Amino acid sequence: GAVVSQHPSWVICKSGTSVKIECRSLDFQATTMFWYRQFPKQSLMLMATSNEGSKATYEQGVEKDKFLINHASLTLSTLTVTSAHPEDSSFYICSARDNWTGRGGEKLFFGSGTQLSVL
Amino acid sequence: SQQGEEDPQALSIQEGENATMNCSYKTSINNLQWYRQNSGRGLVHLILIRSNEREKHSGRLRVTLDTSKKSSSLLITASRAADTASYFCATAPIPGGYNKLIFGAGTRLAVHP
Repeated sequence: GAVVSQHPSWVICKSGTSVKIECRSLDFQATTMFWYRQFPKQSLMLMATSNEGSKATYEQGVEKDKFLINHASLTLSTLTVTSAHPEDSSFYICSARDNWTGRGGEKLFFGSGTQLSVL
Repeated sequence: SQQGEEDPQALSIQEGENATMNCSYKTSINNLQWYRQNSGRGLVHLILIRSNEREKHSGRLRVTLDTSKKSSSLLITASRAADTASYFCATAPIPGGYNKLIFGAGTRLAVHP
């Protein structure tokens, strides 16, 4: 299947700092990527839909200024957690659809996730 | 809001047994998908069933869909220790098209040798 690379796998930061998470589609172009947040033993909650070349679409209750999303190319989307606080500690996962190579545009390919711990 | 509810929340079985997980959802859907997540990792797509399909197979996996009851089940036959993971159903709701998937709460499966 298509490969989505997410980096870093884990990050520990001090409260008040910003953290950037990268999501890359390695062997396909992704006009749309999705960012999810997951708490321990819970489901994935969609945070935002990242659209290449345009503004991201945020889900209700997600702070746009807190979680900055940039999708500057067809293979890269970034999520920046600004002025992180301990309550932002969570597992963040990105995903993308491969609409171009015939591998089925309906299913999602996921990155391996980023565990963020804010001290 | 979360679309799907899954049960059981946790399932513990012995190798060789079958594992059945259920998923219920609230709105009309285009399709329903099942994903697997190993601890601390991303999700891997297992199988997709469309709204006009009732049953689908893939290897040891069997998925059923009952749109009248808004429910689906995932059966893993002859389970192995390597099947230990969390399993999530995800729906592509109508309206919404294919632009987003809504995930259920997940079932944590433990398969003991």
